[in-house]
Amino acid sequence: DAKTTQPNSMESNEEEPVHLPCNHSTISGTDYIHWYRQLPSQGPEYVIHGLTSNVNNRMASLAIAEDRKSSTLILHRATLRDAAVYYCILRRGSNYKLTFGKGTLLTVNP
Amino acid sequence: GAGVSQSPSNKVTEKGKDVELRCDPISGHTALYWYRQSLGQGLEFLIYFQGNSAPDKSGLPSDRFSAERTGGSVSTLTIQRTQQEDSAVYLCASSGTSGSYNEQFFGPGTRLTVL
Repeated sequence: DAKTTQPNSMESNEEEPVHLPCNHSTISGTDYIHWYRQLPSQGPEYVIHGLTSNVNNRMASLAIAEDRKSSTLILHRATLRDAAVYYCILRRGSNYKLTFGKGTLLTVNP
Repeated sequence: GAGVSQSPSNKVTEKGKDVELRCDPISGHTALYWYRQSLGQGLEFLIYFQGNSAPDKSGLPSDRFSAERTGGSVSTLTIQRTQQEDSAVYLCASSGTSGSYNEQFFGPGTRLTVL
């Protein structure tokens, strides 16, 4: 599976937007970009996924670079409940496994 | 509706003992996955069940680990002769159909401590 690179940690202030970057320079044409997050002491939770076009849902937006070698998860207004580890995962269309890296630990300051 | 549930939430055992971890997936979900998360690490895939197909056991770390899924629903992960390096959080997830595109819904995990 292609590898992703994320910053180890990021900080944000409450009610401000947060942009979480992910590099995936070896992405293949059939790789979907998935984001999950893991709140403290909980199992991971699906956030969003996309292939080529930008995606929006009630939780976040996913901006995908034109060459698909990077993407950004956007939380429009961070809340304290958004403090979590965010994982960017590439998932080949035929592959059911999720390969988690170490993710980005997001701290949200009040 | 009810999410994925796992039991027990915590398990402390002595080295060499066998343990069984249980997962109840979301009703109707055909795909079920086991992962484990060691302290400070990302999740590691263990095993995947899809309907009546043969499970993908490629992630099981040793032959001390086994899993079964009865009646296409509940799954049990068994670790025989536990070792201290087996200490981790064991997470179960399920998804709606083939799992290739659908989001995986995770349970809260079972924290296993081997003394």
